[in-house]
Amino acid sequence: EPEVTQTPSHQVTQMGQEVILRCVPISNHLYFYWYRQILGQKVEFLVSFYNNEISEKSEIFDDQFSVERPDGSNFTLKIRSTKLEDSAMYFCASRSWGTLAKNIQYFGAGTRLSVL
Amino acid sequence: AQSVAQPEDQVNVAEGNPLTVKCTYSVSGNPYLFWYVQYPNRGLQFLLKYITGDNLVKGSYGFEAEFNKSQTSFHLKKPSALVSDSALYFCAVRDPSRGNQGGKLIFGQGTELSVKP
Repeated sequence: EPEVTQTPSHQVTQMGQEVILRCVPISNHLYFYWYRQILGQKVEFLVSFYNNEISEKSEIFDDQFSVERPDGSNFTLKIRSTKLEDSAMYFCASRSWGTLAKNIQYFGAGTRLSVL
Repeated sequence: AQSVAQPEDQVNVAEGNPLTVKCTYSVSGNPYLFWYVQYPNRGLQFLLKYITGDNLVKGSYGFEAEFNKSQTSFHLKKPSALVSDSALYFCAVRDPSRGNQGGKLIFGQGTELSVKP
């Protein structure tokens, strides 16, 4: 069964450093999402991406964050200057086109980001 | 604003007994509701969804959920729990505000299900 793949599984970085989290969505999907889950808290939406542009973003997704689909298969989340509070599990998700039955978002296993 | 509530942080069930994990929602318009399960060190796995149609929805691993519009609830159920069902369960509602191009999910805080032998 096709799945969403995320790399790395764990990323450790120093505060102020840039990180890029990578995702390979399911191949025929057109809608892409990033969510994050701070330890012990609920899963929070960050950004959605469709047709090579951001379709919606949350208040968390400030100027330090950016997303890109550089080559038609990868979908990346970049944090320019990491803060301690960016430490979380980051999930990528993708969704097929269409409505109703196609509305399922499939999630990757996540990247645990630890900012020291 | 759209929101989801899971009133129980933890549910404890004996193996073989029925289980219920509760979820209530608040959304404008018709709700698209989902249940996901998260096993330790794993991502979110889709269990089932309600979009329209029958109020009782059947999903993976023997789980089902009942949509109740009047009570704005979407409780997850299973007739006979297994130890392997022990995991973190999330209820979610799809935000309809951006139509088909948006579709962000709004999650509840999660319920830890523990099934003991």
